[in-house]
Amino acid sequence: AQSVTQPDIHITVSEGASLELRCNYSYGATPYLFWYVQSPGQGLQLLLKYFSGDTLVQGIKGFEAEFKRSQSSFNLRKPSVHWSDAAEYFCAVGAQETGNQFYFGTGTSLTVIP
Amino acid sequence: DTAVSQTPKYLVTQMGNDKSIKCEQNLGHDTMYWYKQDSKKFLKIMFSYNNKELIINETVPNRFSPKSPDKAHLNLHINSLELGDSAVYFCASSPPSGSMVFGPGTRLTVL
Repeated sequence: AQSVTQPDIHITVSEGASLELRCNYSYGATPYLFWYVQSPGQGLQLLLKYFSGDTLVQGIKGFEAEFKRSQSSFNLRKPSVHWSDAAEYFCAVGAQETGNQFYFGTGTSLTVIP
Repeated sequence: DTAVSQTPKYLVTQMGNDKSIKCEQNLGHDTMYWYKQDSKKFLKIMFSYNNKELIINETVPNRFSPKSPDKAHLNLHINSLELGDSAVYFCASSPPSGSMVFGPGTRLTVL
């Protein structure tokens, strides 16, 4: 069965500190992997995606993520967090073989303290 | 130039009523979705349509009925609303083998 796990429900970091949000997946097919961000009261915005090729992908707002097949992980990173990064972050997995069926993790809530 | 739009943004109604949420995308995507986000932020897929045909229908009460009049629209009709239906409902669309674009959400409150 397909599943996405985000082990950290809530993370607090200081502004300027580095950030890593964890995502692990269980998927039988070749996965497509995504990170979305949701600011309070807003919809979901795509940060970055991995379909194939280079396992380190760059996204918007200075985020990057690395696909590690051996660890079934797709962790999101940012070297220096800004106060405006405070939001909910969702990892998602999909695959062409399953007809664009996407599964989301439970989300990680990020708090940024000055 | 809104890519995925939903109406209304907020919906407050009484238990037992019937309501609809409309969704439109101008991206030319083939696939459209409805997701429900509960109070704990958990996102659960409800329905997926590809070129007006239902391809995913997760375990959702049959009070929820999606309707896709054309490829650009996917509406959600809910009959006999219950308190537990209170949530934020997101419409989304995607191209083949592509990433989803989400609408702004509709916050449904059932009193």
